[in-house]
Amino acid sequence: GIQVEQSPPDLILQEGANSTLRCNFSDSVNNLQWFHQNPWGQLINLFYIPSGTKQNGRLSATTVATERYSLLYISSSQTTDSGVYFCAVELQGGSEKLVFGKGTKLTVNP
Amino acid sequence: DGGITQSPKYLFRKEGQNVTLSCEQNLNHDAMYWYRQDPGQGLRLIYYSQIVNDFQKGDIAEGYSVSREKKESFPLTVTSAQKNPTAFYLCASSITGRIVAKNIQYFGAGTRLSVL
Repeated sequence: GIQVEQSPPDLILQEGANSTLRCNFSDSVNNLQWFHQNPWGQLINLFYIPSGTKQNGRLSATTVATERYSLLYISSSQTTDSGVYFCAVELQGGSEKLVFGKGTKLTVNP
Repeated sequence: DGGITQSPKYLFRKEGQNVTLSCEQNLNHDAMYWYRQDPGQGLRLIYYSQIVNDFQKGDIAEGYSVSREKKESFPLTVTSAQKNPTAFYLCASSITGRIVAKNIQYFGAGTRLSVL
C-alpha cells in the first residue's frame, strides 16, 4: 500500500520561530490533507491540498504532486501551535480511504 | 451546532464484554469513518461507510463491527474478540465518499477506551 512518511518526528521551537514540516508519499494521490491534533486529541483540518499552494494566516502549505511531497510552513509560531501535525493522503484511483503518516510532534516554548 | 458528536468521551471495558461507541453527525454527510489511534502513532482505518446500509472493512477491522442504519449515525462495537482494545477512537465524516476529489474528512472529539 501507499507509504506516508513525515519528518521530523519531533520539533521543539521557541515562540516566534518559523518551521517547515515535510510529508513524502510513495504513489500518486487524489487527496492530501494536513491536520493539527491538539493536546485533547481533537483533529482540526488545516488544508485540503492535493496540489499547489495555499495560505491561511501564519500557516501555508505546498504540495508538489509530481515529486510526491508536501510541506507545511508555520511562521511566527505560538504556544497554541503545539500538538501533532498529521499528513493524510488518498491513493489515486478512488480508494476513498485516507492513509495517515505518523505525525510530527511540535512543541513551542514561551 | 453542526458537527460530529462522539460519546462517551471515556469508556471502560471489562474482559469478555462488548462495548459500543456512538458517532452522530448533523452535517448531512454521506460517508463516515472509524479510526483507531495508539499512543505516538498515526490513525488507522477500522471501517468506513459511503452510504446508508453499506460499509467496508478498513485495515484493522478484526474484532470490530459497525452498522449504518441511518445517515446520521455510525456506531462502532468493540467486541470481546478484540484482544487489545485500549486506544483512542476517532470518528470522521465527509460530504461524499463517491467523488474522491471531495473527500475532505472532518473529525469528532474522540472516545478513549480502556480495559479494566
